[in-house]
Amino acid sequence: ETGVTQTPRHLVMGMTNKKSLKCEQHLGHNAMYWYKQSAKKPLELMFVYSLEERVENNSVPSRFSPECPNSSHLFLHLHTLQPEDSALYLCASSQDRRTDETDTQYFGPGTRLTVL
Amino acid sequence: AQTVTQSQPEMSVQEAETVTLSCTYDTSESDYYLFWYKQPPSRQMILVIRQEAYKQQNATENRFSVNFQKAAKSFSLKISDSQLGDAAMYFCAYRSSKLGTSGSRLTFGEGTQLTVNP
Repeated sequence: ETGVTQTPRHLVMGMTNKKSLKCEQHLGHNAMYWYKQSAKKPLELMFVYSLEERVENNSVPSRFSPECPNSSHLFLHLHTLQPEDSALYLCASSQDRRTDETDTQYFGPGTRLTVL
Repeated sequence: AQTVTQSQPEMSVQEAETVTLSCTYDTSESDYYLFWYKQPPSRQMILVIRQEAYKQQNATENRFSVNFQKAAKSFSLKISDSQLGDAAMYFCAYRSSKLGTSGSRLTFGEGTQLTVNP
């Protein structure tokens, strides 16, 4: 248990569906991240939010839409996904280094997404 | 851009023995952080150990220790007295020391799958 939770743990959706992934951190951190982990590829950073402001968008297709309503919650809204988007989506949080030197990222358990 | 390379896709070790996982990285920066994360079958990414590049002393955490060779840009993980619960995918990761959240980006290697044999 790292203090970062993700729901759902598993999700199967069709290409025309709209769904959302949720991440919540209980560590008092002020930065949150979305990563994509595909088979046989390194983790890819998708989005970074610091103090609820998106500070990095790593050339992710617009069918992925992040939302960070507060420093404890992060969403990833999904619509019209493709089968190649099937992957493990990991959320992480850390303390932004503008305020604290120690910003090790702590990860949630991930959401296994399958797009049919 | 920084890159991280783990040249061993798979490794195995006998229970109670010692195993070393390799990691090399490429960067033009002089100050940075290196991490080893463990991802067991549950898929939970767990921090194993962290090393600050400005520290000459190798980090240790119980049975886990690193061999950090800054000039060679090498950062290997040694697991002593291996246990069945150590079986997992191990990822090496690099983070810049630059200020600001963009400096918090983690660059991961491809991972090494460790099997522990009873």
